[in-house]
Amino acid sequence: SQQGEEDPQALSIQEGENATMNCSYKTSINNLQWYRQNSGRGLVHLILIRSNEREKHSGRLRVTLDTSKKSSSLLITVSRAADTASYFCATALSSGGYNKLIFGAGTRLAVHP
Amino acid sequence: NAGVTQTPKFQVLKTGQSMTLQCAQDMNHNSMYWYRQDPGMGLRLIYYSASEGTTDKGEVPNGYNVSRLNKREFSLRLESAAPSQTSVYFCASSDSFKNIQYFGAGTRLSVL
Repeated sequence: SQQGEEDPQALSIQEGENATMNCSYKTSINNLQWYRQNSGRGLVHLILIRSNEREKHSGRLRVTLDTSKKSSSLLITVSRAADTASYFCATALSSGGYNKLIFGAGTRLAVHP
Repeated sequence: NAGVTQTPKFQVLKTGQSMTLQCAQDMNHNSMYWYRQDPGMGLRLIYYSASEGTTDKGEVPNGYNVSRLNKREFSLRLESAAPSQTSVYFCASSDSFKNIQYFGAGTRLSVL
């Protein structure tokens, strides 16, 4: 089974609302990353939070990490139609001397004008 | 700045045919990866190359082979394509230290 699992699988909101996506994982991690994928495109890195950090901000993005619960959340504030995409969490695990990323199945976000 | 370039973008194969997916990066990254993405699932790692001259199996390596041709290029070969290999394939590269990965636009492969 996958290391990272996102919740919800799909989310539909109106422009201006906030969108919250959650990610749970099973084993200890070095860092956790969030990626975005627009339809038919490759993934784009959004933000990285290290295992010793609890919260991180980047523009309208806010990521939290709770290592005791093995969970993370991604909050997109004041959403725009252009935020419509799939969002994936990826957990970085040490493997053979480098960080291996394991991706969850993603949350499909639809932001309606 | 091209980043990660994958070719081809689309391909249709018949069962049993072979093909090679090409990937090149211009960011001087040490590590490169091949993933497949199937509907409703996240990316699954097929093979990776932590540095030039090394390759290792990922989660789903069966039916695939890879070659790290040089620091820039990492190819994925399907020797005898099967319908189960119908998928979208992504190549990625990363700076080994942070492992933030940069992705190509993907190759959509259909095996009939």
